Amino acid sequence: AQSVAQPEDQVNVAEGNPLTVKCTYSVSGNPYLFWYVQYPNRGLQFLLKYITGDNLVKGSYGFEAEFNKSQTSFHLKKPSALVSDSALYFCAVRDTLGAGSYQLTFGKGTKLSVIP
Amino acid sequence: NAGVTQTPKFRILKIGQSMTLQCTQDMNHNYMYWYRQDPGMGLKLIYYSVGAGITDKGEVPNGYNVSRSTTEDFPLRLELAAPSQTSVYFCASSYTNRGDQPQHFGDGTRLSIL
Repeated sequence: AQSVAQPEDQVNVAEGNPLTVKCTYSVSGNPYLFWYVQYPNRGLQFLLKYITGDNLVKGSYGFEAEFNKSQTSFHLKKPSALVSDSALYFCAVRDTLGAGSYQLTFGKGTKLSVIP
Repeated sequence: NAGVTQTPKFRILKIGQSMTLQCTQDMNHNYMYWYRQDPGMGLKLIYYSVGAGITDKGEVPNGYNVSRSTTEDFPLRLELAAPSQTSVYFCASSYTNRGDQPQHFGDGTRLSIL
C-alpha cells in the first residue's frame, strides 16, 4: 500500500528566508510524486512532480523539490519566501506497482505562513 | 478556460435529505474523481471514472453514488445525508491514466449536514 506523511502541521518562515516543507512516502514500486498548493476557499493547484530523472525538480512560482530515494523523501523548497506563498501544501504519491494506479494518496497537508 | 466547475459552492442540508453535487469539465478529460477533504485529514477518494459509463469506488464510497453519462459531467449524489458527510467536496479530472499526469481540481463544494 502507498502512503505519504507530512510531519509538520504548520511551518512559519520570515519573508525573504528560504522555506522547506517536508514529505516522506512509502510505496512498493517506484513513486510518482506531486506537490499541490491550496489557497483559502479554492481547489488544489498543481505545483510540480517527480516521475524519473533529475532528482531536483523545478515547478511553478519558483518552487522546487528534491527527490531522495534512500530517505524516501520529496521535500518542497523555495530560496526566498513571499507573503503570497502562505497557503496549505499537499504532497501526494502514486505507486507504479500494483493495483489502484489511478489513485493518488495525499498527505494531511502543511500550512505555510510567511511572516512579513 | 473554465477547467473544472463545481456547483453549488455552499449548501446546508438536514439529516436524511438528498442532494446532487454537480461537476463539469471542459478539457475533454477522460478521467474524473471525487474527493472529500476533512480538516487535518488530507483528501480521500470517494469515486472515480475512467470514461463515460464507467465508474468505480475509491477509498470512502459508502453513502455516495455517482454516474458518468457524458465525458464532461460527473455528478455525486448523497441519498440520505448524515452528519458524518459534513465536509468539503472536490471534483478533479485528468487527461490520461498515466500515473505521471497531474489532476486538475475544482474550487469545491462546502457541505454542512445539520
